[in-house]
Amino acid sequence: AQKITQTQPGMFVQEKEAVTLDCTYDTSDPSYGLFWYKQPSSGEMIFLIYQGSYDQQNATEGRYSLNFQKARKSANLVISASQLGDSAMYFCAMREGGLGGTASKLTFGTGTRLQVTL
Amino acid sequence: DARVTQTPRDKVTEMGQEVTMRCQPILGHNTVFWYRQTMMQGLELLAYFRNRAPLDDSGMPKDRFSAEMPDATLATLKIQPSEPRDSAVYFCASAVVISQSGTEAFFGQGTRLTVV
Repeated sequence: AQKITQTQPGMFVQEKEAVTLDCTYDTSDPSYGLFWYKQPSSGEMIFLIYQGSYDQQNATEGRYSLNFQKARKSANLVISASQLGDSAMYFCAMREGGLGGTASKLTFGTGTRLQVTL
Repeated sequence: DARVTQTPRDKVTEMGQEVTMRCQPILGHNTVFWYRQTMMQGLELLAYFRNRAPLDDSGMPKDRFSAEMPDATLATLKIQPSEPRDSAVYFCASAVVISQSGTEAFFGQGTRLTVV
């Protein structure tokens, strides 16, 4: 079973508009973390935002916010005021906590390619 | 500016040759990951280490791949013998993980491997 599911292979958004990239996850571990990474065409993986399973509030980092709905097991990334430089692949990832921190591997989704247009 | 350093950035090799990729994690990070990225499979976790000990290498083909951390400043991923299907971008990432908390993993720029 897929641990992380990103159902949108590609998305278009106009500059200055907001866009939501979907991510659902599957885990029975009560302790986990959710991450979003950006991969521009240059290839590097850039960390964007993190949400812990026990966090009460949705994470925000500048123009990025994470719409965390625990009961639905979703962790959608919202990018506000899109810029041309936001065009990239976006990956959702999950770290399962495990006991004593013995787990913690990061599992990635298949990614969503976002294209920001003028 | 702390960063994960991977070498080489690009590698072209002939089928059957040995390939060694190196990674210098961020100083103080206790967890190191190796990922492989292909168009078909996306990002696959090959192996990861905590405090230099391998925790999980189930994603790695054991017959030809090996991963080690000879010391805290160096992680290596070796393929012997290499095959064309190993062509991919190999990422190393490091993180600080303490108990059940943890931070984001910082990625190196990757090694683009082409096996011909």
